[in-house]
Amino acid sequence: DQQVKQNSPSLSVQEGRISILNCDYTNSMFDYFLWYKKYPAEGPTFLISISSIKDKNEDGRFTVFLNKSAKHLSLHIVPSQPGDSAVYFCAASQGGSEKLVFGKGTKLTVNP
Amino acid sequence: SQTIHQWPATLVQPVGSPLSLECTVEGTSNPNLYWYRQAAGRGLQLLFYSVGIGQISSEVPQNLSASRPQDRQFILSSKKLLLSDSGFYLCAWSWGVNEKLFFGSGTQLSVL
Repeated sequence: DQQVKQNSPSLSVQEGRISILNCDYTNSMFDYFLWYKKYPAEGPTFLISISSIKDKNEDGRFTVFLNKSAKHLSLHIVPSQPGDSAVYFCAASQGGSEKLVFGKGTKLTVNP
Repeated sequence: SQTIHQWPATLVQPVGSPLSLECTVEGTSNPNLYWYRQAAGRGLQLLFYSVGIGQISSEVPQNLSASRPQDRQFILSSKKLLLSDSGFYLCAWSWGVNEKLFFGSGTQLSVL
């Protein structure tokens, strides 16, 4: 049972435009959500997170939105840059748990 | 500052051979430690995690095992590798519950 779902395996956008990556979850007990970025043959690096008490968190070009009623979160990258091309993983954890559950990832390609 | 070391970067092993992957963390004490695997075309699957020396939780039944002989050392092992064990193995650490993970650079394991 996949608790964190990223239904789009890939996304292609033009440089300067907005990239929107989506993530859905099924476990209503999740209360902490994160986005990671991964280049080939490297470990994922943390991008941004959001707690369930918020519905938006912003860090520079990256904004994460959380819709708890829909069990949906999204990552917005504005403006997109070619260096943003990578696989993006959504992850979630449940209060008191040491574990992060990851989605399968979305490969973002930003074209110059 | 904290750093995580994972080696080797690549490994090619025959089916039926043993495996030992090592991970060490510097600059922090009593971290939570994790082993994840990314198989081709799949997301990040949690294999094992540890909240202290000698404490190992297994997430997926398989022919792999993990050990934590020292506070900042985490080892992934197998007595006999299978073809299906091929993948990209990632070690990670965190400060505790509901905390982001910091990943190592990964080991690409090919079982032939």
